[in-house]
Amino acid sequence: KQEVTQIPAALSVPEGENLVLNCSFTDSAIYNLQWFRQDPGKGLTSLLLIQSSQREQTSGRLNASLDKSSGRSTLYIAASQPGDSATYLCAPDNTDKLIFGTGTRLQVFP
Amino acid sequence: EAGVVQSPRYKIIEKKQPVAFWCNPISGHNTLYWYRQNLGQGPELLIRYENEEAVDDSQLPKDRFSAERLKGVDSTLKIQPAELGDSAVYLCASSSPGQGDYGYTFGSGTRLTVV
Repeated sequence: KQEVTQIPAALSVPEGENLVLNCSFTDSAIYNLQWFRQDPGKGLTSLLLIQSSQREQTSGRLNASLDKSSGRSTLYIAASQPGDSATYLCAPDNTDKLIFGTGTRLQVFP
Repeated sequence: EAGVVQSPRYKIIEKKQPVAFWCNPISGHNTLYWYRQNLGQGPELLIRYENEEAVDDSQLPKDRFSAERLKGVDSTLKIQPAELGDSAVYLCASSSPGQGDYGYTFGSGTRLTVV
């Protein structure tokens, strides 16, 4: 059974810092891995999708890496801004379903 | 493109009452998912459809929950009767795996409060 752990559970930083959010998963036989952002009371917004054959994906200030063999993915946020404040969820795709961790709750203050 | 559309956005009901949620996936997405998200937790899969067939409903509490996806497009999730522990956000998602896989797209969710 796939289990997903995200560290840290919460993070509070001043704006401008470069951030690292970690995700680990127990079953490396994944199809792909997706990172989402969730604002309070809202649904999930897809940030990045990494196919199992890829090592990383980039979108603007976001970069996600994937090491499938070790069961790890990392989301890097460069030059953080207050608008980045949200919960970040990683979700590996096993047998056509996403398994979620409990997320990293990020607060970026001015 | 409209994205995944869910309604209602919020629902407050008394325990033992029935409730239904509706989802319209992205056009052309054959796979539809219902997830439940409890406060402070990540979403958990309730049921997955491939077209109109429920291919994974192992996590659906079948004594009170039911779902349908007629004609392989819209889907409805029903709870009858609702219990206090059913208070959560119910999320619908769709995907089109395979060539041109863009992952999963989620709707805005329905926040259910059972009092």
